[in-house]
Amino acid sequence: GQNIDQPTEMTATEGAIVQINCTYQTSGFNGLFWYQQHAGEAPTFLSYNVLDGLEEKGRFSSFLSRSKGYSYLLLKELQMKDSASYLCAVRSSGTYKYIFGTGTRLKVLA
Amino acid sequence: DVKVTQSSRYLVKRTGEKVFLECVQDMDHENMFWYRQDPGLGLRLIYFSYDVKMKEKGDIPEGYSVSREKKERFSLILESASTNQTSMYLCASRSVGTDQPQHFGDGTRLSIL
Repeated sequence: GQNIDQPTEMTATEGAIVQINCTYQTSGFNGLFWYQQHAGEAPTFLSYNVLDGLEEKGRFSSFLSRSKGYSYLLLKELQMKDSASYLCAVRSSGTYKYIFGTGTRLKVLA
Repeated sequence: DVKVTQSSRYLVKRTGEKVFLECVQDMDHENMFWYRQDPGLGLRLIYFSYDVKMKEKGDIPEGYSVSREKKERFSLILESASTNQTSMYLCASRSVGTDQPQHFGDGTRLSIL
């Protein structure tokens, strides 16, 4: 079957660093996406990985290991506005379909 | 910026009604998607369309149909609404290309009474 696992909830302190993990088992792989979703709002795109390694975008970085079926999203210098759900999604190869994890709800405390 | 607009943020309907959810995107995207989002279940794909008049079933198409007569508009239809279709419905669009992300609308919170 196809499955994506993420922790349900995480808590961190303002100014700290947090790592949100995502493991996946899918039939084929054609890229992994991270989205941020604030409560009551639309998911917004954060990052894309298709090759192994680290992609850095300002305070956010995303890492991929295809052989391990593993990715993480790293958030540095946490701010209160980073309190949101973070969704990991994998695109299966040869299809238009994306498999989404259930999301990790991050709470940033002052 | 890409804009994906869903016709209603909140909608209340009765069991057995035919319900239409509309989605419009302004970036000439080929692909469009309908998901529902439920607590603990994440986003689940109902239908997607890879071009005008083209559609494919997602993972949970039962009780739903779709229409894509124009490139910018993708409609989700609940043929006969039931209480288990109470959910948040999200529309998304994307351009072709492996690295192109989906762009989501703000969602429609649908309650079926």
